[in-house]
Amino acid sequence: AQSVTQPDIHITVSEGASLELRCNYSYGATPYLFWYVQSPGQGLQLLLKYFSGDTLVQGIKGFEAEFKRSQSSFNLRKPSVHWSDAAEYFCAVAPSGSARQLTFGSGTQLTVLP
Amino acid sequence: GAGVSQSPSNKVTEKGKDVELRCDPISGHTALYWYRQSLGQGLEFLIYFQGNSAPDKSGLPSDRFSAERTGGSVSTLTIQRTQQEDSAVYLCASSFNSYEQYFGPGTRLTVT
Repeated sequence: AQSVTQPDIHITVSEGASLELRCNYSYGATPYLFWYVQSPGQGLQLLLKYFSGDTLVQGIKGFEAEFKRSQSSFNLRKPSVHWSDAAEYFCAVAPSGSARQLTFGSGTQLTVLP
Repeated sequence: GAGVSQSPSNKVTEKGKDVELRCDPISGHTALYWYRQSLGQGLEFLIYFQGNSAPDKSGLPSDRFSAERTGGSVSTLTIQRTQQEDSAVYLCASSFNSYEQYFGPGTRLTVT
């Protein structure tokens, strides 16, 4: 069965610092990969996605992620964090060819210090 | 345009009562999903509707849970004889191409 691991439950960074959130997946083939963000009391917002092709994908709000097949990873990065980025971030996978159902990681809570 | 909407935003019910949660997907989206988000279990898939095909119910935790989608649009998730472990946020998502899912704000269910 496919699974997603986000090893960091909670990360704290200072505003303006760079950010990297880790995501590792276990799946027989290269799945479709997603990052979602959830602000308090809100639903999930899609930040970016990877289906195929260029392994560095750009998303909204200045985020990017890099797919590394050899490491089964899809880490999320941002060069300079803003206070408004404080939220919970979820990595998710779906079988390639369909996003019938997403399998989510346990999430990483991001705190941004002024 | 309008996003996915869910109602009610909050629901408090007594153990043993039935509840209905509603989801209005984005217009034109043919796929609709229900997920549950709870502290102990994280985000779990519940059920998936695609057009007129039979729904994928593989994630429903028990036969107390059911869902329907009328006219290929609005969906209702029903939980019968609610239990305290049903307390969670229930999220609905819709999709046009089954690749990107757009989520609603969720319904927070509290069973007392």
